[in-house]
Amino acid sequence: QVLLQESGPGLVKPSGTLFLSCAVSGGSISSIDWWSWVRQSPGKGLQWIGEVFHTGATNYNPSLKSRLSMSVDKSKNQFSLMVKSVTAADTAVYYCARAGSSHEGAADYWGEGTLVTVSS
Amino acid sequence: DIQMTQSPPSLSASVGDRVTITCRASQTISRYLNWYQQRAGKAPKLLIYAASTLQSGVPSRFSGSGSGTDFSLTISSLQPEDFATYYCQQSSSSPLTFGGGTRVEIK
Repeated sequence: QVLLQESGPGLVKPSGTLFLSCAVSGGSISSIDWWSWVRQSPGKGLQWIGEVFHTGATNYNPSLKSRLSMSVDKSKNQFSLMVKSVTAADTAVYYCARAGSSHEGAADYWGEGTLVTVSS
Repeated sequence: DIQMTQSPPSLSASVGDRVTITCRASQTISRYLNWYQQRAGKAPKLLIYAASTLQSGVPSRFSGSGSGTDFSLTISSLQPEDFATYYCQQSSSSPLTFGGGTRVEIK
């Protein structure tokens, strides 16, 4: 059973940088799966942010690409998300997830999500 | 980006009803279509992947079908725990995109 747990500040100031980590347990970050971030604005639908592979390869949503950075820390078995120059529109619940290689890219394991509010 | 359109946006149904939700892609995605269930305040849960493959542990009353651009999720006999919001997602090409969701409510 793979478990994912997000961590990071719940409040970020406008124009600041959002930084979240996702700790993986019950599985290796160096597997052949991709590690994803998905967000959900209050009362809204789901938005795929992007994904990272253990080699450091990434795929980003073009709508956010200029402000995004994702990375993997193999020593800690975790991966991270950084979003620069945040605005109120970045306020959302952020989920980390595993895109299972045996599941045609579907996210088969999810973290519980963490609310990030952008406000001064 | 591939646009995913779900219908209906919401529906009311009773326990025991058969419910079908549809999802249409703006271009062909073969069978790279996934369905998720999200209960209020919880993370999404994978139900179906590759259009019709049931995720391990998901009850058999859930089924998926379709290919190309048109897909559907069917719940054969709605149970109390099935009242939730359902999302389709295409994993054919980046950026992955979700449908707008279908909220299933109690009649």
